[in-house]
Amino acid sequence: EVQLVESGGGLVQPGGSLRLSCGVSGFTFSSYEMNWVRQAPGKGLEWVSYINGIGSNMDYEDSVKGRFTVSRDNAKNSLYLQMNSLRAEDTAVYYCARERQTSGFDNWGQGTLVTVSS
Amino acid sequence: QSALTQPRSVSGSPGQSVTISCTGTSSDVGGYNYVSWYQQYPGKAPKLIIYDVSQRPSGVPDRFSGSKSGNTASLTISGLQADDEADYYCCSHAGYNSHWVFGGGTKLTVL
Repeated sequence: EVQLVESGGGLVQPGGSLRLSCGVSGFTFSSYEMNWVRQAPGKGLEWVSYINGIGSNMDYEDSVKGRFTVSRDNAKNSLYLQMNSLRAEDTAVYYCARERQTSGFDNWGQGTLVTVSS
Repeated sequence: QSALTQPRSVSGSPGQSVTISCTGTSSDVGGYNYVSWYQQYPGKAPKLIIYDVSQRPSGVPDRFSGSKSGNTASLTISGLQADDEADYYCCSHAGYNSHWVFGGGTKLTVL
């Protein structure tokens, strides 16, 4: 059974940092591109970042470029999102999602809530 | 990259059909056959229900169907059931610099 489990969310002050993790099981992690998608309270889904299977190609939504860094450790079956210079508008539930080769996201974690507030 | 445009809400009675539209541009919806749709219940993670414009993952009922014409994709749900009441999001590939763009979401109410 495919499982994705996020962790690392919490309350952080504006300007602070947080590192999210996504542990996966039930599939060959290195064979899949992975993404982070977020959802602000009461709002829609927003794509945040992408990383290819070997971790050599990453991309980001414009508002997080230069502040967020996605990485992966295929030996540990884990995906990460390092978030720096956090802003109030980054407050959201962050989901890790498995990509099925440009055909969308076929498996999602349960999400982890990040709250940026003083 | 601007979000794709979806109606904020749609509604229908049990047994009826509803269609949710998703309008983008030639840089996303119109440029790729990589439109997907997601169903989300409150407090839950999204679930993939349509990929590659019109393909259904295993286990998704054939009451759910997808199509595309030009820059607009559509999700049709036929034979509405009470548990179809949820939020629905479209998503399109947007090229290898922007990767993905979502629609704003549509709340489906089953009357």
